[in-house]
Amino acid sequence: DVKVTQSSRYLVKRTGEKVFLECVQDMDHENMFWYRQDPGLGLRLIYFSYDVKMKEKGDIPEGYSVSREKKERFSLILESASTNQTSMYLCASRKTGGYWQPQHFGDGTRLSIL
Amino acid sequence: AQTVTQSQPEMSVQEAETVTLSCTYDTSESDYYLFWYKQPPSRQMILVIRQEAYKQQNATENRFSVNFQKAAKSFSLKISDSQLGDAAMYFCANPDMRFGAGTRLTVKP
Repeated sequence: DVKVTQSSRYLVKRTGEKVFLECVQDMDHENMFWYRQDPGLGLRLIYFSYDVKMKEKGDIPEGYSVSREKKERFSLILESASTNQTSMYLCASRKTGGYWQPQHFGDGTRLSIL
Repeated sequence: AQTVTQSQPEMSVQEAETVTLSCTYDTSESDYYLFWYKQPPSRQMILVIRQEAYKQQNATENRFSVNFQKAAKSFSLKISDSQLGDAAMYFCANPDMRFGAGTRLTVKP
């Protein structure tokens, strides 16, 4: 089974801090994604990566950046955390090579910015 | 971005009954798959079912089936013989990996 591991289940940070959310997958998937999940808004795509060192902006990239130095790891960075970035963050991975490939998700990180 | 619309924020079903969750989508792809995912409370999101757009036949996975209407860009999920373990948030996703707002399904014993 594919395992997508997010480094923290719960995280509390302060306004203005630089925050790192880490995600690791163990199935050699090329594609990786970061979403934020908010009630009534569903999942919104922040950034995605088709392969190592590649990144593409999603629909809400403002205030975020990402890093993918190794295939298995995709990091989301909040450059200067703000209270409106309090949310649940979900990481997903997906094997390339076919439209039928589903995404595999981590457990999520519930981030609170105080 | 191509959008996905789930118009039912909450649905409720009696155990053993059938419920249908709605989804409409947008895509510029000609050959594609659509996905339904389930997110149980405090648990990981998992794939429920997927549908290939070129297939005439609606996908079925045990008690879960799809009503896919390509021209209308509609992709509904039908859950038959509902069980308590079906209680969850359900999300549909389009080929661009965009998701709807979700439907919270409650199953009443």
